[in-house]
Order: sequence, then C-alpha cells, then structure tokens
Amino acid sequence: DAKTTQPNSMESNEEEPVHLPCNHSTISGTDYIHWYRQLPSQGPEYVIHGLTSNVNNRMASLAIAEDRKSSTLILHRATLRDAAVYYCICRGSGGGADGLTFGKGTHLIIQP
Amino acid sequence: GAVVSQHPSWVICKSGTSVKIECRSLDFQATTMFWYRQFPKQSLMLMATSNEGSKATYEQGVEKDKFLINHASLTLSTLTVTSAHPEDSSFYICSANRNRLAPYNEQFFGPGTRLTVL
Repeated sequence: DAKTTQPNSMESNEEEPVHLPCNHSTISGTDYIHWYRQLPSQGPEYVIHGLTSNVNNRMASLAIAEDRKSSTLILHRATLRDAAVYYCICRGSGGGADGLTFGKGTHLIIQP
Repeated sequence: GAVVSQHPSWVICKSGTSVKIECRSLDFQATTMFWYRQFPKQSLMLMATSNEGSKATYEQGVEKDKFLINHASLTLSTLTVTSAHPEDSSFYICSANRNRLAPYNEQFFGPGTRLTVL
C-alpha cells in the first residue's frame, strides 16, 4: 500500500464545507484511493473511493489531483454528525483478499 | 445492504478466561473477513484474515494460538481470545468484503466489541 499523509486534526464550523487533504506521492498507477471514517466508539464506515476521476456520492466528493499524488475529501456541508476520524487509504487493485492498512487519519472537529 | 454485525458489543472478563467474539455478514456472503484491533487513541491494526473453510492468516506479531479464528460459514467468523490478560483489553473490529473479486477493496465494518480484561 502506498504511504499516505494526512493532517492530525482539522476544525470546521457546522454547515460549512470541509476539505480534508491526503498526500500519497508513491501511489502506483493501479492503486485506488479510499476514504473511510470512524465515528467515536464505532467501526469504520466506507465514505468514497476513486481511481483517476473526481467522484461524488451522497456522503462526499473526492477530488483527485491530475498526477494522483494527492486527493481531497470534500464534505459539502458539515454537520455535527460528521465529527470523526477520516482515513485515506491507497490500495492496489488486487480485489478483496487483503485487509486495510490504516494510518493515523485526520480527526475532524465540527464546531456548532 | 452490506451490514456486518458483531456480538457482543462489549464484554468484561477476568484474567485467564477465554472470550469469543462473533462477526456476521447479515445480507451478503463473505468468503473473507478481517479482524482488527484498536487501542485507545490509536488507529486500527489488522490482526488476521479469516478465510471460509481454511486456516486464518495472521499478521506478523499476532499470536495465532492466543487469537483463535474460525470461519465456519460464509456469514460467520469468530475470534476467540484465549487466556485473556489485561493487555488484551482493546476494541476488536471485524470487516468483510461483499465482492472479493471487485478491483477496489470496499470493506464493511462491524460496530466493534469492547473487551475489558480485569
């Protein structure tokens, strides 16, 4: 798995957009970029994934740099329920045979 | 869809006893499940890969005789912590892939089991 670097923590206000950055300069051409988040005292949940193009789903958007060495998870309108640790993970296209390697992630704090 | 459950959600036991944690995929079949451990204020660490009908694969440093894994069906994997000690107190989380052949690796996680060993 490519090493990822994320800020330890970020703070935002409720109902404002949040941009969570992730650097993955050693990503290979076939690595997917995944984002998971973990709410307090819960198991992680899948947020979004992408390969080359930007992606949108009901939870968030994923903006991938043209050189793929970085990406940004965008929460368009943060709520208090979005307070969690967000993990950016780069994985090869080897399917579901391997577990995930979690870094330290970004602790997102949402202020009311 | 793609719900994974764990039982129990929390357990307190005495040192030296064994504890079994169940992980179930409720609406899909999972040939592969994963077990993670998370200590307070730390990230998740992969412990082992549970394969239906075959032996589990353990990560380096994880004692296979202490953490027994059984994956007897396509919807159930169990983790047994044998002779538990206070240092085994942790948050144990399982996950499963819905489509093992998918090129990406979306995993669905259980809610976790908080183990406290006195």
